[in-house]
Amino acid sequence: DADVTQTPRNRITKTGKRIMLECSQTKGHDRMYWYRQDPGLGLQLIYYSFDVKDINKGEISDGYSVSRQAQAKFSLSLESAIPNQTALYFCATETEYNEQFFGPGTRLTVL
Amino acid sequence: GQNIDQPTEMTATEGAIVQINCTYQTSGFNGLFWYQQHAGEAPTFLSYNVLDGLEEKGRFSSFLSRSKGYSYLLLKELQMKDSASYLCAVVNTGGFKTIFGAGTRLFVKA
Repeated sequence: DADVTQTPRNRITKTGKRIMLECSQTKGHDRMYWYRQDPGLGLQLIYYSFDVKDINKGEISDGYSVSRQAQAKFSLSLESAIPNQTALYFCATETEYNEQFFGPGTRLTVL
Repeated sequence: GQNIDQPTEMTATEGAIVQINCTYQTSGFNGLFWYQQHAGEAPTFLSYNVLDGLEEKGRFSSFLSRSKGYSYLLLKELQMKDSASYLCAVVNTGGFKTIFGAGTRLFVKA
């Protein structure tokens, strides 16, 4: 079984809709991250969490919110989706030595 | 500011050796990672350097010079399956911790 899972794997939605992307992990890591990746660009950090009570904005947090429901779960929400949020979204966990383990990604299309 | 530079694309021949360079400017330094990412898939860990010098792991090696803000990933005996993007990532001492470069797309041709 995969250590970091994301649901859904693919999602098509319309402008203005609220959607939630979910991430679960069985690695027991405290640190979790949400990134987006656009074609030809690197990974851009949206939000990160170092434990259940800790939430931090990344470099592109506008238009996104997160919830850390438990050590194993970290959800990303788009309150009102817009077309330029069309991207590949990755969740990742991190060890204390900063090695990151990524989920399989969610491909989101906003029409 | 913080910046990581890698070439956008490289092409090499099956069986050959290729070197992918990465230069960085970050606020503090706590290590450098290389990740491999096949198209549409998740990045996966390749190597980690925190001290100067060469780390070898099978066909892959990674080098670090902290004084020069420079690293390279060396891939030997290239195989078609090595066609992928290679991401250089630096762990800094600032709030974001890990900063990723845009990645180098490597095309291996027969």
